[in-house]
Amino acid sequence: QVQLQESGPGLVKPSQTLSLTCTVSGGSITSGSYYWSWLRQPAGKGLEWIGRIDTSGSTNYNPFFKSRVTISKDTADNEFSLKLSSVTAADTAVYYCARVIGGPLFDYWGQGTLVTVSS
Amino acid sequence: QSVLTQPPSVSGAPGQRVTISCTGSSSNIGAGYDVQWYQQLPGTAPKFVIYGNNYRPSGVPDRFSGSKSGTSASLAITGLQAEDEANYYCQSYDSNLTVVFGGGTKLTVL
Repeated sequence: QVQLQESGPGLVKPSQTLSLTCTVSGGSITSGSYYWSWLRQPAGKGLEWIGRIDTSGSTNYNPFFKSRVTISKDTADNEFSLKLSSVTAADTAVYYCARVIGGPLFDYWGQGTLVTVSS
Repeated sequence: QSVLTQPPSVSGAPGQRVTISCTGSSSNIGAGYDVQWYQQLPGTAPKFVIYGNNYRPSGVPDRFSGSKSGTSASLAITGLQAEDEANYYCQSYDSNLTVVFGGGTKLTVL
């Protein structure tokens, strides 16, 4: 059973960089026909796809975030990470990591972590 | 504003049938990309209930079904139960290589 767990600071100051890590267990991020993705959900709002990284390390980002976002992976620790720069209050949200297959289908999700942008 | 359009809310009495629509365009649903549906209970991560337009994963009751036609898709839930009360999101892919979601629909079981 694949499990994902987000971790990182719950509070980030405006203009700084938000950094989160997703630790994957029960499967390797370098094997299979999978992508590994970040999404977010502002309070009371819908889901937003941020971007993804594949098993070879190639990335694809939502144009809305493209100039601010970097997704990378650490194969040794079976983790992938999100960096979102120049954050504002509008970036306050629950951030999810997820595994992606096919369709694309987000089949396994982390529990989510709340990041608040505030001074 | 979400790329895919869903009604903000739907409701139904226990035992009834409800449908949730998801309208896209020729660059996503109409381009032939699959539609997935997710159920999100309060305070939890989304869980997929329909994938590939009309396939149901194991563990999801057969009361849930999906369909797709043209630039739209629908999720139908029959025999409505209290446990079905949740937010539902449709999701697809766009020709600009972006994953797109609907804004979500809150299902209330009366």
